[in-house]
Amino acid sequence: AQKVTQAQTEISVVEKEDVTLDCVYETRDTTYYLFWYKQPPSGELVFLIRRNSFDEQNEISGRYSWNFQKSTSSFNFTITASQVVDSAVYFCALSEMYSGGGADGLTFGKGTHLIIQP
Amino acid sequence: DAMVIQNPRYQVTQFGKPVTLSCSQTLNHNVMYWYQQKSSQAPKLLFHYYDKDFNNEADTPDNFQSRRPNTSFCFLDIRSPGLGDAAMYLCATSRVPGVAAPTDTQYFGPGTRLTVL
Repeated sequence: AQKVTQAQTEISVVEKEDVTLDCVYETRDTTYYLFWYKQPPSGELVFLIRRNSFDEQNEISGRYSWNFQKSTSSFNFTITASQVVDSAVYFCALSEMYSGGGADGLTFGKGTHLIIQP
Repeated sequence: DAMVIQNPRYQVTQFGKPVTLSCSQTLNHNVMYWYQQKSSQAPKLLFHYYDKDFNNEADTPDNFQSRRPNTSFCFLDIRSPGLGDAAMYLCATSRVPGVAAPTDTQYFGPGTRLTVL
């Protein structure tokens, strides 16, 4: 069965610092998808990125960057020059390829509560 | 804007009194999901619809039911809410997966926070 581990329960940094959120996953499938979602206090889960198991290229989007390493089963998320608005709970999630090619739910990690202090 | 809408945002019910939560989407996605998220925990999948095909997670209690009358709407029915069912309920949608993309991104609504008195 699949599993996602986010070992950091809470991280607190001062604004403008860089911060990395760790994500380690377990799966027996060779085809799978990894996601990061942001959950601000309002509660809505906001999609940030999706990466499939065949694409190990790192990605940068503005102040956000993601480092996917299959060798260590990790999909870490870095925010550079953090801002107060980045304060939220961040979830890493995994989706395996459903047998028959159908849809499947997400397996979430427990989330990392990121606090950016002014 | 295309989106996932959940009503109401906050729902209060009494112990044992049936309650229905609503989700609608304008994304025209074929797959709809219901997740339960308890305080300070990760969302947990309850069930999902692939078009009209209902897929229940093995550990979802019988107390939870779902209906999907058409592509746009999906309902979560809790037949006899207990105190332990107090949580945020999140609805999500995704497109029908294809050969090139067996799993598509799930887009979430704002959630309904359920309180059981």
